[in-house]
Order: sequence, then structure tokens, then C-alpha cells
Amino acid sequence: QKEVEQDPGPLSVPEGAIVSLNCTYSNSAFQYFMWYRQYSRKGPELLMYTYSSGNKEDGRFTAQVDKSSKYISLFIRDSQPSDSATYLCAMSEAAGNKLTFGGGTRVLVKP
Amino acid sequence: GAVVSQHPSRVICKSGTSVKIECRSLDFQATTMFWYRQFPKKSLMLMATSNEGSKATYEQGVEKDKFLINHASLTLSTLTVTSAHPEDSSFYICSASDSRSYYGYTFGSGTRLTVV
Repeated sequence: QKEVEQDPGPLSVPEGAIVSLNCTYSNSAFQYFMWYRQYSRKGPELLMYTYSSGNKEDGRFTAQVDKSSKYISLFIRDSQPSDSATYLCAMSEAAGNKLTFGGGTRVLVKP
Repeated sequence: GAVVSQHPSRVICKSGTSVKIECRSLDFQATTMFWYRQFPKKSLMLMATSNEGSKATYEQGVEKDKFLINHASLTLSTLTVTSAHPEDSSFYICSASDSRSYYGYTFGSGTRLTVV
């Protein structure tokens, strides 16, 4: 079993819909949780980060962490075609430590 | 914001030669840099962690003699793929940790290596 599980998709939604992404993990020591967006043949771009459990909102993006369930989510509201990319969850045990990535979910927002 | 420059973006080399990839933090000091490898439609696989002035820590299964990592300064880390073979063809990405902030995991734009 992988340390971090993420549905590979692809996830296809119409423009304007809410995109819902999630990851589950097995390591209870993870404290820092991040979501990255990666366009084809580019490096990942940090979208959201959260420490421990809770919610965080930034514009159209909302990240949720439920440590008791070992489950994290990312919601994208009012999705745009430019949101079409691969979304990677990542987490670490301590500040500055190496990240453990999920496998990534490919998202396609259709105009 | 923090910027990491990775060079070259694409390189084609002959089998048996060595290739060097550079990763520079442009506006911050990177105490720690990470090197990843990514296969098509796959996630990032951590290869090694390097700290400035010390030897890199390699992940299990990564050949340290094949993938040489040098982190000689707080703004530059290099990955050298020695005696490259076609199976080394991949997308290599670096990331740097900003010592000013935990959330300084900034990634480079990646290097696509093709060994022919």
C-alpha cells in the first residue's frame, strides 16, 4: 500500500463546476499538507498549504485536512479551462522535511 | 516570491556521456534542495536530499555513483547523470527549501533528459 493514495483520474468537469480532489494517507506523523498544480512538462506550483487539521480558503481554492480520518481535500470553485492540469497532494512530517507525494489527479475542465 | 531556476530545460545526449543539471535559487538561500525524477503520467519520485556543504542523502534504490549531487553553495545545487543510458531518460525536477519560511518548497521548471 502506498503511503499516500490519490485517484489518478482523469476528472472531467464542465467550466464553472466545482472540482473536488482528495488524498488519503497512512502515516499519522504527517503534519504539513500541500496541494500542487502541475502543467504538462513543467515543475509543480504550490497552490495551498495547511498545517494540521482544519480548513483554509484562498480565492477559488479551499483545502481541508481531517487528520483523524487521514484524509485531505482540495476544492476548486468556478473552474476554468486554465485549471486543466495535474493536481498533486503532498505532505511531510516536519517543517523542511522531504515531501511525500500522491500519484496526482489529472483534471480537465471543458469550456 | 521565491524563484528557482533550473537549467537546461531540455537536453539530448549520447549513451555513455554525462549530463549536468543546475538548480539555482534566485532570491533566497536554499539550505536544502531536493531532486526528483518523474516518469510520464506519474508522480514525483524523490531521488535525494542535499544540504549545503554536506553529502546528499539518497533514497533507497537510487545509485549515488550514477546520480552525483553537489550543493556547494546556498544558491546552487547540481545533479550530474554519469554514463547516461536510455533508461535514464526522464523528467528531472529540483526544489529548494527557503530557510526563511517552511513554505518555501519552490520547484524548478524541470529538465527533460533524453539519452539516445
